[in-house]
Amino acid sequence: GAGVSQSPSNKVTEKGKDVELRCDPISGHTALYWYRQRLGQGLEFLIYFQGNSAPDKSGLPSDRFSAERTGESVSTLTIQRTQQEDSAVYLCASSGMGLYRDYGYTFGSGTRLTVV
Amino acid sequence: DAKTTQPTSMDCAEGRAANLPCNHSTISGNEYVYWYRQIHSQGPQYIIHGLKNNETNEMASLIITEDRKSSTLILPHATLRDTAVYYCIVSSNFGNEKLTFGTGTRLTIIP
Repeated sequence: GAGVSQSPSNKVTEKGKDVELRCDPISGHTALYWYRQRLGQGLEFLIYFQGNSAPDKSGLPSDRFSAERTGESVSTLTIQRTQQEDSAVYLCASSGMGLYRDYGYTFGSGTRLTVV
Repeated sequence: DAKTTQPTSMDCAEGRAANLPCNHSTISGNEYVYWYRQIHSQGPQYIIHGLKNNETNEMASLIITEDRKSSTLILPHATLRDTAVYYCIVSSNFGNEKLTFGTGTRLTIIP
């Protein structure tokens, strides 16, 4: 597609449930990033995938959070046993190497997660 | 551990040039200066980037000082739709580095 697609756009879940967020990057982009943004706050890095290299998981806040990406395609961010403090907008971005990299990240519109 | 310093907020009159400053005094020789903006309820949007020369595109101009320790993003004719949070970021542009977003500058365009 023309941009980074995220689904669902909105998710309301009960505390303790698991949720799965999906990101479709721009075709050909080798790098994929997940960020979290709480209401009124800045962007918080979560995890980064680059091609077939081991992901940089240094931003994941707890072991309830995990993410997968197969090759250079779709990524899923999973939050287990959700807590109210997990409520935020989860943003995905992708970027390429070489020519694509000249234009920085392209972000999706995000998934707004509300834990009740 | 943001490497940049920006004012928290700024106002600019509609139709005037908006000049957003950024200090990056510890920038390395291989690091670029990137600017992004985030309009309310949207994901951040790439604006422009540069290494040491001034850059211009359809959205904005980027002026980087000769010592590269600071830069200014210029929106030449600000409109109400330019109201957003503007982030200045330094990155090595090797395609394998995560971007660290600071708190940015909240720019409000006044009618």
